[in-house]
Amino acid sequence: QQQVKQSPQSLIVQKGGISIINCAYENTAFDYFPWYQQFPGKGPALLIAIRPDVSEKKEGRFTISFNKSAKQFSLHIMDSQPGDSATYFCAAANFGNEKLTFGTGTRLTIIP
Amino acid sequence: DVKVTQSSRYLVKRTGEKVFLECVQDMDHENMFWYRQDPGLGLRLIYFSYDVKMKEKGDIPEGYSVSREKKERFSLILESASTNQTSMYLCASSLPSIPGTGKAFFGQGTRLTVV
Repeated sequence: QQQVKQSPQSLIVQKGGISIINCAYENTAFDYFPWYQQFPGKGPALLIAIRPDVSEKKEGRFTISFNKSAKQFSLHIMDSQPGDSATYFCAAANFGNEKLTFGTGTRLTIIP
Repeated sequence: DVKVTQSSRYLVKRTGEKVFLECVQDMDHENMFWYRQDPGLGLRLIYFSYDVKMKEKGDIPEGYSVSREKKERFSLILESASTNQTSMYLCASSLPSIPGTGKAFFGQGTRLTVV
């Protein structure tokens, strides 16, 4: 049972374009939604995160959009660069519980 | 920076062997986790621990056990390794200062192959 569904599985974007990765969740008790970035040979690292009391959070070129009624959230990478090529995981957590539930991951490739 | 160190990057073990994966964190974090990462399945939680000698099952605990005798060290044990346990294993730690913040720090992973 996949509580957090992520799409697409892989994504190729041209340099300078916008990369968009989508996630949907089922458990309405989730109230914290982080995105992790993983480079080959490394463990995942926190990229950006959002709480459901806001609909959008922006940090540099990275933006999370959150739709509570649809139970969906997405990561937008503006002006995508080759250095952004990595695997991205969305995740969700319950308040008061540090346990993360991850999506299946998206392998992003930025081409020149 | 928080450092989470996993004792081995690569391991090859035989079916039926008892396997120990070790993880150490250097930032006095209360929470520690073991995940396995498989293509197309993402990261799935095996076990986690909120304190020394405390452990809770995650989503896929079957065939695994854990040990946390010291705060900084969290061990994953495969009691009798099987080929379907061939995977990348990731250890993580976090602080519970703000519950539900989700900021976990990961080690580099151990790629285990069971033959």
